[in-house]
Amino acid sequence: EVQLVESGGGLVQPGGSLRLSCAASGFSVSNSYMTWVRHSPVRGLEWVSFAYSGGGPSYADSVNGRFTISRDNSKNMLFLQMNSLRAEDTAVYYCARSTAVLPTFAHWGRGTLVTVSS
Amino acid sequence: EILMTQSPATLSVSPGERATLSCRASQSVSSNLAWFQQKPGQAPRLLIYAASIRATGIPARFSGSGSGTEFTLTISSLQSEDFAVYYCQQYSNWWTFGHGTKLEI
Repeated sequence: EVQLVESGGGLVQPGGSLRLSCAASGFSVSNSYMTWVRHSPVRGLEWVSFAYSGGGPSYADSVNGRFTISRDNSKNMLFLQMNSLRAEDTAVYYCARSTAVLPTFAHWGRGTLVTVSS
Repeated sequence: EILMTQSPATLSVSPGERATLSCRASQSVSSNLAWFQQKPGQAPRLLIYAASIRATGIPARFSGSGSGTEFTLTISSLQSEDFAVYYCQQYSNWWTFGHGTKLEI
């Protein structure tokens, strides 16, 4: 059974940093299409960053240059390093899995809340 | 960026009735369209992909139709557990979501 469990959210001041983690089971992140998606009342649902084994990472314009996606294949985990955080980055962050056959998000974690506020 | 517009924002229906939700893309997405259901405190759940294919475990009362820029999600006979927020999403060019339709009793 595919499972995704996010952690690492919390309260951070504007300009601060946070690292989110996503622990995967039931499949291997090393050969999967993995995406961070966030959901806020203001911006709605928004993809943030995407990674797969066949190419370089991709980022939404709103986070490009500030966020970095990475994987630890030995631990079967996905990460999102978030720097220079802004109030508009406040959201629930989900990791999600897609495949080449089904290129949308069939599996999601339960999410972790990030609040950027002074 | 492809913009997704959903209507109505809120739909009030009674259990047992039929609900029809609409989604429009700002440009053609072919059949690269998915529908998600989200309940409070939960992650979105994939209902429909490729505009009309039900995801694994989704009841037959959920159906999707459309292609290009106009799409519809129909719930044939509403059950109490169906009252939630529904989002459409295109995956033709990265991913963008609509702002949702809240289905309420």
